[in-house]
Formats: sequence, structure tokens, C-alpha cells
Amino acid sequence: AQRVTQPEKLLSVFKGAPVELKCNYSYSGSPELFWYVQYSRQRLQLLLRHISRESIKGFTADLNKGETSFHLKKPFAQEEDSAMYYCALVGTSGTYKYIFGTGTRLKVLA
Amino acid sequence: GAVVSQHPSWVICKSGTSVKIECRSLDFQATTMFWYRQFPKQSLMLMATSNEGSKATYEQGVEKDKFLINHASLTLSTLTVTSAHPEDSSFYICSARGSGRAYNEQFFGPGTRLTVL
Repeated sequence: AQRVTQPEKLLSVFKGAPVELKCNYSYSGSPELFWYVQYSRQRLQLLLRHISRESIKGFTADLNKGETSFHLKKPFAQEEDSAMYYCALVGTSGTYKYIFGTGTRLKVLA
Repeated sequence: GAVVSQHPSWVICKSGTSVKIECRSLDFQATTMFWYRQFPKQSLMLMATSNEGSKATYEQGVEKDKFLINHASLTLSTLTVTSAHPEDSSFYICSARGSGRAYNEQFFGPGTRLTVL
């Protein structure tokens, strides 16, 4: 079954601490993985995609096909990182549909 | 670039009435639009996928006669909630994917909050 799992509903860290938001997926094939972020009262916006191998706002994510994971990391959390983070998968079926994880709320404490 | 708008941003209606929500891609042509539903503090649930000029493809469990989707142009898709009931109250979000853009990236609208009394 195609699935994206984000095991943590809420993650609280102190400002300056490292952050890791976990994402595991289940897909028989080579999916494309994304991280989307939703700040308070704002729309979902793309944070990262695995094919770009980029760093945005200090966040990075590496696709580990062996562990079927795409964890989001940042070495030093900032208060403005507080938001809802969704991991998403697009399969290779040609429908371009996203499969979203349930989301993790990140709270960065002062 | 790649802005998606939704109208209205919120709507309150009486039970039994129909409500139309518009989703527009403002600066690109959206070959595919998606409609999601989001319950409080929950993830997005895909309702249907619509391609310009063709019938929408609904996800399992979504009533197509209840949630009418029209994607008549490359910049506009509409979702009509027919004979709305209180259980239809939710946050409805559209997204759009365009040709010529980052292949699988979707751009999201700000959402429409529907409250059915």
C-alpha cells in the first residue's frame, strides 16, 4: 500500500537546538518526495523536494531508499520555523497525485 | 509566480443549499487541479483530480454527485458542494499543477472554510 508516515504529531524543541522531523514512506517504485510547510494562517508551500537536493531556510532532507525515509533536518531551530510540516509522495503512475503524511507540528520554544 | 487563488475564503450557508468554490491559477496554465479537504488539526485528504476539459477523477468514498467539479479552462476549476449539510463543514483547499513547471510540484490555494448551519 502507498503510504506516508509521520510518526510525531507534535515536536517541541528549544531555539538553537537541532530538529529532525521524521517521514517514512511505503511505495513500490521510485516516488518523488516533498516537504511542504504551512505557517499559521497561511497556505501550504513547498519547502523541499528530494530531486533538487537543496537546502531551504537551513532545512535539508535526504532520501534514504534503503530505509524508505525522507527525514527533514535543521541543525539550529529558529522560532520562525514553528509551523505544520507535511511530507508528501508522488508516485510514478502518471496521476501526479500527492499522498500526504498526517503532518508534524513543530514548536520552537524561546 | 505560480499563484493559486480561491474564492470565497470563507462561506456560511444553510443546510440544503449549494455552494460553489472557485480555484484559479493566476499566472500559469493549470493542466491539472486537485481538490482537498482538511479537517481541524488533520492532514489534507484528496477528494478529486481534475484535468482541463475532462471529467474529474474522484477518490474512493467521495460522492461525485455531492461534490461537483468542473475544470472548464486552464486557469479555473470549481467545486460545488450540492445540498450541503453540517457534516460538509470543512476547509477545502485546491492545488494546481502546470505544464512547463517543476514537473510534479503542486501550488496550493489559501483554502475556503465552509460552514453549513
